[in-house]
Amino acid sequence: EVQLVESGGGLVQPGRSLRLSCAASGFTFDDHAMHWVRQAPGKGLEWVSGISRNSGSIGYADSVRGRFSISRDNAKNSLYLQMNSLRAEDSALYYCAKDLSFSVVPTAIGSWGQGTLVTVSS
Amino acid sequence: QSVLTQSPSASGTPGQRVTISCSGSSSNIGNNYVCWYQQFPGTAPKLLMYRNNQRPSGVPDRFSGSKSGTSASLAISGLRSEDEADYYCAAWDDNLSGNVFGGGTKLTVL
Repeated sequence: EVQLVESGGGLVQPGRSLRLSCAASGFTFDDHAMHWVRQAPGKGLEWVSGISRNSGSIGYADSVRGRFSISRDNAKNSLYLQMNSLRAEDSALYYCAKDLSFSVVPTAIGSWGQGTLVTVSS
Repeated sequence: QSVLTQSPSASGTPGQRVTISCSGSSSNIGNNYVCWYQQFPGTAPKLLMYRNNQRPSGVPDRFSGSKSGTSASLAISGLRSEDEADYYCAAWDDNLSGNVFGGGTKLTVL
């Protein structure tokens, strides 16, 4: 069974940094692209970033490009999201997600974690 | 404002066929595959359709997807009360170099 467990969320002040982690199990991690998708309370889904299986292809939403950095450690079956210069509008539930294929394009997210909540507020 | 446009709400009665639409442009739907996701309140989304019309294992064949030009549709036949959920379309956007979601459609089963 695929399991994706996010951690690292919490309350952080504007301008500060936070690092999210996702521990993956139940599948061959380095066979799949991975993504971060967020959802603000009561709002829709927003794709944040994606990374191919070998980290050779990485993409970011315009809203986070230059501030967020996605990475993965295939030896540890882990996905990360380094979030810098956080803003109030970054407050959301952040989902770790597994793509059906090894590539970021086209994106097809077959499995989702339960999410970790990030709140940016002073 | 989402790059992909969906009607905020849709409704139908049990047994009815309902269609949810998603409108985009040549840089996203027009040139890339479309996915559909279903989300119940308080839970993570679930993939309903990928590559426009492919159903993952376990998704009932009451759900079907189609694409024409820069628009896509998700059809649900034999509507059931348990289909009441939010539905999102998504596609890669070549201009943005990123995946984009529609704003979501809340389906109500009357």
